Amino acid sequence: EAGVTQSPTHLIKTRGQQATLRCSPISGHTSVYWYQQALGLGLQFLLWYDEGEERNRGNFPPRFSGRQFPNYSSELNVNALELEDSALYLCASSLAPAGGMNTEAFFGQGTRLTVV
Amino acid sequence: AQSVTQLDSQVPVFEEAPVELRCNYSSSVSVYLFWYVQYPNQGLQLLLKYLSGSTLVKGINGFEAEFNKSQTSFHLRKPSVHISDTAEYFCAVSDPDQGGSEKLVFGKGTKLTVNP
Repeated sequence: EAGVTQSPTHLIKTRGQQATLRCSPISGHTSVYWYQQALGLGLQFLLWYDEGEERNRGNFPPRFSGRQFPNYSSELNVNALELEDSALYLCASSLAPAGGMNTEAFFGQGTRLTVV
Repeated sequence: AQSVTQLDSQVPVFEEAPVELRCNYSSSVSVYLFWYVQYPNQGLQLLLKYLSGSTLVKGINGFEAEFNKSQTSFHLRKPSVHISDTAEYFCAVSDPDQGGSEKLVFGKGTKLTVNP
């Protein structure tokens, strides 16, 4: 069974540009989460999608947005890129909201975004 | 809001020595607790989780953790580490009382370096 896949693995953008990151969850998983892992800041929760709807977002500006498609894959869009957006962006999926009984969030290998 | 404190940002140990990685969380109410491991250039992998029941939880790769409600701690231990255990370890907490946890809150991570 394929795990959570993210593309691209690396992305280099110029300040002010837009970046689009993609995530395919494990088959049958309906919940998708996005986390930002910036140097020294640990994992910061960005967004949670379930059944095509945005259910929760972390403390990030509106230029961080995304969507979930009918096949439960997801996109994260970052507009007006800033240097401090450089980070590893991790996507995770779960059968039910992460942390619930008998559920587990499975993580992809991440997209390394570098803003220059 | 829940928060997680990992007291040590870096832990160097020698091969075959025991190790303890410390984790404290903020809430005294019922929580679910997790430890994840991140190997270099990889996503996160679940090591173990505490949902309920026995306070001593055994995970993969010989790791175990003990839930201590009175001290709001969930320390990770391994009696004898290997070079291959070199990685970053993240403690995470969720709150099941909020109608199904929609996100995990992570600590900032502890980098374990096992030296020969």
